[in-house]
Amino acid sequence: EAGVAQSPRYKIIEKRQSVAFWCNPISGHATLYWYQQILGQGPKLLIQFQNNGVVDDSQLPKDRFSAERLKGVDSTLKIQPAKLEDSAVYLCASSPGPLGEQYFGPGTRLTVT
Amino acid sequence: AQTVTQSQPEMSVQEAETVTLSCTYDTSENNYYLFWYKQPPSRQMILVIRQEAYKQQNATENRFSVNFQKAAKSFSLKISDSQLGDTAMYFCATSGTYKYIFGTGTRLKVLA
Repeated sequence: EAGVAQSPRYKIIEKRQSVAFWCNPISGHATLYWYQQILGQGPKLLIQFQNNGVVDDSQLPKDRFSAERLKGVDSTLKIQPAKLEDSAVYLCASSPGPLGEQYFGPGTRLTVT
Repeated sequence: AQTVTQSQPEMSVQEAETVTLSCTYDTSENNYYLFWYKQPPSRQMILVIRQEAYKQQNATENRFSVNFQKAAKSFSLKISDSQLGDTAMYFCATSGTYKYIFGTGTRLKVLA
């Protein structure tokens, strides 16, 4: 079974630029999560999808972050414009449903200079 | 609101010894799950063990076991016969109805 795929693995941008991350969840997983993990901290949920609908985006900075999940499968997370404090690892995870085990991708390490 | 608290930012243990990581949580949910995830240095987060809140029996997975105290809202992880490969960040998490919360993590170092 293929795991959760993310790209790119690393990205360096300057502040005020835009960036997009892509996630392909495990086939058949209805729930998809995007997390922001700052070095030394736990993952912070940015947005949760159930199929292609948003379940929770209460911690998503909507003035600069956006996310979509096309046809309930792949998802993209975009930051525009980026700030220095956005430097973090962005994790994508998926699960069969909202309560169970999450399967994580390798993450995208973003550095904003 | 759901909260998860891990009060031990860092711990160390000698190889082959036993260590216990603490976690307390708060939730208003009746149906919820508890998890311990492991994040090795520069590697992916993976599930270590899970516990359904309605089950009284503590979950075990090989060298990993939990002490689930529902009334006290405590969910500690015990690692027996610690191995060098257990060195990682460990996150406690709880899931309820459409809500998944992680703790701040405990960095565990296993010493040779």
